[in-house]
Amino acid sequence: GIQVEQSPPDLILQEGANSTLRCNFSDSVNNLQWFHQNPWGQLINLFYIPSGTKQNGRLSATTVATERYSLLYISSSQTTDSGVYFCAVRTQGGSEKLVFGKGTKLTVNP
Amino acid sequence: IAGITQAPTSQILAAGRRMTLRCTQDMRHNAMYWYRQDLGLGLRLIHYSNTAGTTGKGEVPDGYSVSRANTDDFPLTLASAVPSQTSVYFCASSVQADQPQHFGDGTRLSIL
Repeated sequence: GIQVEQSPPDLILQEGANSTLRCNFSDSVNNLQWFHQNPWGQLINLFYIPSGTKQNGRLSATTVATERYSLLYISSSQTTDSGVYFCAVRTQGGSEKLVFGKGTKLTVNP
Repeated sequence: IAGITQAPTSQILAAGRRMTLRCTQDMRHNAMYWYRQDLGLGLRLIHYSNTAGTTGKGEVPDGYSVSRANTDDFPLTLASAVPSQTSVYFCASSVQADQPQHFGDGTRLSIL
């Protein structure tokens, strides 16, 4: 099945810093989502981005489907950005499941 | 507020007992899903339903059953709970099967 690799596994930042999280996947996809799992365990939808670039406030994401990777950019990070960021993909013509990466654990210190 | 409601929020259950986790969505989404999240293993699909009246098996279906009698509800039943089913369970839904999935807040289940 498809492999989803996220990097880095852990990231520690000072408030105000910028960061880039990466998601590599091993097959063609028709669905790619970025989620933020906050310290309370909630999974928050950030982006649905099977291709192209989107921006939402301090966050933006780019997926280059032909090269099988996606990037999540966080600018001017805040302590509330802490948590785990997951990339999840669904293969073209594949099963219904989203395949999740293992996540990047982000800690933003004040 | 429109969204997905899961109940209970958390539960401690004796092994061998039957348990139903409830999931209700009010977004009129056709597709619904159940995942479990375990440390080191990430989120894995248990069962799914592309539309009311149909269900399918995911990656880890053994020990679980689902039903989809209507669009809004997608309950997950553990017929005879075992300790390995201790996990956090997430329900999700999407407009159609290939559209973005939206998640509920999860149910933390401990089987003793």
